[in-house]
Amino acid sequence: GENVEQHPSTLSVQEGDSAVIKCTYSDSASNYFPWYKQELGKGPQLIIDIRSNVGEKKDQRIAVTLNKTAKHFSLHITETQPEDSAVYFCAALYGNNRLAFGKGNQVVVIP
Amino acid sequence: NAGVTQTPKFRVLKTGQSMTLLCAQDMNHEYMYWYRQDPGMGLRLIHYSVGEGTTAKGEVPDGYNVSRLKKQNFLLGLESAAPSQTSVYFCASSYGPLNTEAFFGQGTRLTVV
Repeated sequence: GENVEQHPSTLSVQEGDSAVIKCTYSDSASNYFPWYKQELGKGPQLIIDIRSNVGEKKDQRIAVTLNKTAKHFSLHITETQPEDSAVYFCAALYGNNRLAFGKGNQVVVIP
Repeated sequence: NAGVTQTPKFRVLKTGQSMTLLCAQDMNHEYMYWYRQDPGMGLRLIHYSVGEGTTAKGEVPDGYNVSRLKKQNFLLGLESAAPSQTSVYFCASSYGPLNTEAFFGQGTRLTVV
């Protein structure tokens, strides 16, 4: 079925350290994997995405890696700052044009 | 540029009442979506539209209806609200299909008592 698992559910990091969130998906046909950031009281906002024809993508302090063989992809945040504290959602696009979202990961950056 | 605007932001309904949530986007996007967000459940797609005058069912459509009479507006209706529909509702829009960036509204917190 269409399933996206996201780990861990909560992650606390010291300011300046790195944070890594991992997601696994079930359908090997998935080819688009976005990451959304949701701040308190706001709607989710796309921060980075990756397509199945690349293995890694970077945008300043944020990077996403994709392992299609193992069916998992990860979000990496380096040099974390207090404004990185939020809930992060991964998603995978399935063949019927449905984005399946993970359950979210609460990241807390401790000053 | 307002982006995606949802009204209302909060609402409390009694079981059996009806209401309509309005979503408006000013980006000339073809695609619009309604999601619900529940604790520990992520975002689940209720209905979506690929253009003016079209609608389609998502993952959890039961108990909801939608209409897309104008390109910029996407309405979500609850004909007879149930406590199970207590949730935060998000509208989103995108220029293309789901493999392009979706822009979300700020959400509507609905409580059904």
